[in-house]
Amino acid sequence: QSALTQPASVSGSPGQSITISCTGSSSDVGGYNYVSWYQQHSGKAPKVMIYEVSNRPSGVSNRFSGSKSGNTASLTISGLQAEDEADYYCSSYTNSGTWVFGGGTKLTVL
Amino acid sequence: QVQLVESGGNLVQSGGSLRLSCAASGFTFSRFGMHWVRQAPGKGLEWLANIWHDGSNEKYADSVKGRFTISRDNSKNTLFLQMNSLRGEDTAVYYCAKGENHCAYEWGQGTLVTVSS
Repeated sequence: QSALTQPASVSGSPGQSITISCTGSSSDVGGYNYVSWYQQHSGKAPKVMIYEVSNRPSGVSNRFSGSKSGNTASLTISGLQAEDEADYYCSSYTNSGTWVFGGGTKLTVL
Repeated sequence: QVQLVESGGNLVQSGGSLRLSCAASGFTFSRFGMHWVRQAPGKGLEWLANIWHDGSNEKYADSVKGRFTISRDNSKNTLFLQMNSLRGEDTAVYYCAKGENHCAYEWGQGTLVTVSS
């Protein structure tokens, strides 16, 4: 049950696009289309932004998109806004019937 | 509107036990699997356990297997986490989450557990 690998931090200017990667293995990310992404503002509970690799819950901006290639999933945020500054976590179902999170990525909007 | 309210967090001594509860409302509780996730101070999210909608199956992270037990009472719309043999590294905010679309789709606000040595 090793954590998925995410970059510790990413940054971008307002209006730009950024991508956060999430690397696992064939036992989790690569084996299932059950990757999800969560946004967490400081002191708040996490909120799901993407589920099943690329689906957005109702109410989530279409500036957020998800994809997957092999054992790596990605979250892209386009048209970056100040309110997007937060921590982002990926998660995947695993072949053990468990779930695993990534270590988290701090997004800074410059 | 889905609402999940955790309770039971407290200061406990190392080696002690604690039982967390998560009161659910705004959805048909008995139709959904549920998760427990924790976050140590200044750290990332850690998935802990999952239970099927009818309580017939449970899964645990290796870090808590044998010490923590997830359970539910569908007649009271409540999820539980029994935590035994607590250690300092179990200090964290504990969240319950509704399982839907193969993820933790809705989250509570969390309850703080502090384990002192």
